[in-house]
Amino acid sequence: SQQGEEDPQALSIQEGENATMNCSYKTSINNLQWYRQNSGRGLVHLILIRSNEREKHSGRLRVTLDTSKKSSSLLITASRAADTASYFCATDSGGSYIPTFGRGTSLIVHP
Amino acid sequence: GAGVSQSPRYKVTKRGQDVALRCDPISGHVSLYWYRQALGQGPEFLTYFNYEAQQDKSGLPNDRFSAERPEGSISTLTIQRTEQRDSAMYRCASSPVGAGELFFGEGSRLTVL
Repeated sequence: SQQGEEDPQALSIQEGENATMNCSYKTSINNLQWYRQNSGRGLVHLILIRSNEREKHSGRLRVTLDTSKKSSSLLITASRAADTASYFCATDSGGSYIPTFGRGTSLIVHP
Repeated sequence: GAGVSQSPRYKVTKRGQDVALRCDPISGHVSLYWYRQALGQGPEFLTYFNYEAQQDKSGLPNDRFSAERPEGSISTLTIQRTEQRDSAMYRCASSPVGAGELFFGEGSRLTVL
């Protein structure tokens, strides 16, 4: 079963524009993570945000978490063609240390 | 290298054969996870270990699937009597601690004919 659901399923933008992806989940979480996957390769960790945090930044990435709405968003600013990839959110909850992944958002950035 | 290493990268087998997939985690990482990923989907949890102890195997689809990590380092995922529906990318990840950042390998693509 998949806890998180990303929205939209696919996103196509021009280089330089911002990209926003959302993740909604069903049960209370301990942590939420975002990962990137290029063309079926291994997933690469981007950011981890804890349930008591509201916002985190890493370079051009900004992640927000709204636990009251059970949702998170990932913003990529000034996108580049190299940002083309699938983006997944993963949550763990309760006493489980098992990150559970959503289906992902496929981002295409046109040069 | 310093990353998570999986072998074989590609495995083609006939229905009914047993396969063993190997994962060599980052040295010193306590937790090791196995996931399965279908095309266009996110990784689906199979099982995970802390050191040599299997903490949760609730994601293993049936008793043809098993995993071990006898010395708390390298892990093997074994699928017995493979079926065509077992065809997928099998991904291993390790983490310094549970509930932290996962470091993924490149995966083992299994095709069952």
